[in-house]
Amino acid sequence: IAGITQAPTSQILAAGRRMTLRCTQDMRHNAMYWYRQDLGLGLRLIHYSNTAGTTGKGEVPDGYSVSRANTDDFPLTLASAVPSQTSVYFCASSPYGTKGSTATNEKLFFGSGTQLSVL
Amino acid sequence: GNSVTQMEGPVTLSEEAFLTINCTYTATGYPSLFWYVQYPGEGLQLLLKATKADDKGSNKGFEATYRKETTSFHLEKGSVQVSDSAVYFCALEKGGTGTYKYIFGTGTRLKVLA
Repeated sequence: IAGITQAPTSQILAAGRRMTLRCTQDMRHNAMYWYRQDLGLGLRLIHYSNTAGTTGKGEVPDGYSVSRANTDDFPLTLASAVPSQTSVYFCASSPYGTKGSTATNEKLFFGSGTQLSVL
Repeated sequence: GNSVTQMEGPVTLSEEAFLTINCTYTATGYPSLFWYVQYPGEGLQLLLKATKADDKGSNKGFEATYRKETTSFHLEKGSVQVSDSAVYFCALEKGGTGTYKYIFGTGTRLKVLA
């Protein structure tokens, strides 16, 4: 089934450790996004990528980094985790700019999320 | 800057009751507006969308009308079911210069009782 795969599903991490959340899509979408979801704050954009080879900062990029070496993969790295990074992380993609896409407001496709706890 | 404001939840209704979840936005120009739904343990899914003023998005009995004069996009359903229990997010997208970013509201939890 086509879609977005996130791994791991959940993780408990000691503060100060490095962690990479994986995200892979098989829809050949150009745009990909990382959001964190926190109670009372909704979804906040961490980083995004409009196409392979490019990335940009969202609302809350500090403490996170991303890379986009190819179309399918968009990993999110926490270089040195802190407790305030405890959250549910969602990866998403959109066909914006994909060859053959004519819509000006394509929807986002979401993964099932990664629950991360930093102790 | 762009922003979305939704009514706070949780909203608790009996089955077959009428639902309204308020959403207002702030944006320059003409954003596209969306409602996403998140069922327990899952990622968000698009519920409906509207791309210009006076458009009405609809899906699964839910409706929302893009009101530019009141900068609103309220979600309504005439008769809710237990299976509608979820968190609902209002969102806007205001692309420009090749950057497409979605702004989400804080979400409204809906609980429907049998």
